[in-house]
Order: sequence, then structure tokens, then C-alpha cells
Amino acid sequence: GQQLNQSPQSMFIQEGEDVSMNCTSSSIFNTWLWYKQEPGEGPVLLIALYKAGELTSNGRLTAQFGITRKDSFLNISASIPSDVGIYFCAGQRYPVGNNRKLIWGLGTSLAVNP
Amino acid sequence: EAQVTQNPRYLITVTGKKLTVTCSQNMNHEYMSWYRQDPGLGLRQIYYSMNVEVTDKGDVPEGYKVSRKEKRNFPLILESPSPNQTSLYFCASSPDTTGELFFGEGSRLTVL
Repeated sequence: GQQLNQSPQSMFIQEGEDVSMNCTSSSIFNTWLWYKQEPGEGPVLLIALYKAGELTSNGRLTAQFGITRKDSFLNISASIPSDVGIYFCAGQRYPVGNNRKLIWGLGTSLAVNP
Repeated sequence: EAQVTQNPRYLITVTGKKLTVTCSQNMNHEYMSWYRQDPGLGLRQIYYSMNVEVTDKGDVPEGYKVSRKEKRNFPLILESPSPNQTSLYFCASSPDTTGELFFGEGSRLTVL
């Protein structure tokens, strides 16, 4: 099935550094979402974006819906150890039909050195 | 507390022995879905349900069954499990179809 191109695949950073990751697609999406998965847990929604160009923040996290509607970016400022986890992007279209299926990236694994 | 609860969290079984993974949500959500997560393949949708008695196939439905007799419950049934169904399974729910999903903690299944 289709997947989003998410990069980088992994990051190892020092506490206090800023982090950037992105997701791209050859197709247009109506919604972009960012989830975080910690070890032994299910993914948790961080930010949802519904309009092209939209910039939304959630604490130290900021995400943007690309103007072309084919990409999205997630930034984490001043990283802390609890930011460790896997970050997933997901895109959604609104096809004819009921299942507004999510297309997922493969994730960015983030490690933070205290 | 709003949550999606899956059971069992861990299971080791043998090929061909029918099993059911239960999923229950207490948020009165209409939409529920099952995913499997495998290294290098990410999250793949198995089945979804828009409401009671309404279910449909996702991307990888082969070897699985589901039912939605009540709004809160959405069990995943493996009639004859095989080793390629060894995976981490997640149930998720949503009040609508916006993509804002609430996930359970996962069920790690090993089929020998």
C-alpha cells in the first residue's frame, strides 16, 4: 500500500537541541496528522492540521501543513529526555466512500542524550 | 478516564488455534479500527467499523475477522492463526472520521 516518505529515519540529539522532521508525498492530502509512540504504548495524537499553510503549535511542538498539500513538517524546540519515541506522520484524503483512510509514514525514531 | 482497552497485551500461541483479541472503548466513539505494526512496514489497517454492524476491510484483512455488535466493542478474531500473523496489534477509535485516533496500548501476538 501507499506510504508517506518520512525523514529522517532516526535522530540522536543532545538535550536542548531543536529537532525537525518532515513527511512528503506525491499525492495531495486534506489532513496531516502527527503522532508520537513511546515504547510499549500506542501512538498518541500530537497535532492535526486541516488547511494548507496552517501552522499549529502544541507546547514545544510546531507542525505545518505544506502549501502544496503534499508535505508536512514537525519541529520540536529545546528537546528534553521525555521527547524520546517514534514520531509518525499520517495523511488523509476525502475520497468518495466512508473510510477516510490514513496513509502512514514509517516513523522518525528520536533519541535524546541528557 | 477515556481509554481504549485491549486484551490480551501479550500472547504466544500455536498455528491454527483460534484466538480473539478484544477491544473496548469508553468514549462512545462511532469509528473503530484495527492495525498491525511490523518493522519496516509501519502501521497497516486490517479492518474498520463506521458504526454498529458496519464493518469493512482495510489494507491487510486476510486471515482476520471482526464484529461490531455493540458500539464500545470491536474484537479481532484470528480463526486459524499462522506465523505471518505474528505482530503488534493496535485497536483505535475516533468520534468521527477525521483521522484523530485514540489508540489502545497494543497486543503483541506471537504465533509459533
